[in-house]
Amino acid sequence: DVKVTQSSRYLVKRTGEKVFLECVQDMDHENMFWYRQDPGLGLRLIYFSYDVKMKEKGDIPEGYSVSREKKERFSLILESASTNQTSMYLCASTSGSSYGYTFGSGTRLTVV
Amino acid sequence: GQQLNQSPQSMFIQEGEDVSMNCTSSSIFNTWLWYKQDPGEGPVLLIALYKAGELTSNGRLTAQFGITRKDSFLNISASIPSDVGIYFCAGPTFQGAQKLVFGQGTRLTINP
Repeated sequence: DVKVTQSSRYLVKRTGEKVFLECVQDMDHENMFWYRQDPGLGLRLIYFSYDVKMKEKGDIPEGYSVSREKKERFSLILESASTNQTSMYLCASTSGSSYGYTFGSGTRLTVV
Repeated sequence: GQQLNQSPQSMFIQEGEDVSMNCTSSSIFNTWLWYKQDPGEGPVLLIALYKAGELTSNGRLTAQFGITRKDSFLNISASIPSDVGIYFCAGPTFQGAQKLVFGQGTRLTINP
């Protein structure tokens, strides 16, 4: 069964910590995405990648960075976590010609 | 930037009722997609629409691509408890790389 796996379902971090959220897909997809989900705001794109070592900013990249060293893995990094980054983070992937994203189950991050 | 507005934001219905929700934009879209997010999971693609005026069904779900290309509608007939969740509309952005913009979501709650 094809899937996108996010390393943690729940995470609690302290303000100022460096946080790594990991995402792995087993479908050989070129495109990978990081979204954050907040009530009433839907899904907002943080960063995306269309190839290994390639990355582009989404709509809300401030305070985040990403890394894609291998095709199957796309990491989201919070350089210095802040309370306003408390949210649900969703990773997704898709092939080069499809809008049918496969999402992970999400990581609910709480920054205290 | 491109934005999608969904309404209603939430719905509380009785089991067996029909459901209608819609998604509008000030921009023209060439593709409309509808995703559903079950509680505790990532969104899953329900229906994709590629042509203005198109009407597509997936079981009890029917979606339409508005003829103005600025709106789309999703209907659920004879709702059942497993229809509970958040429904998102989505459309491709101008920026390519299979990048989508999502609406704010419609949260459906069903009373048995």
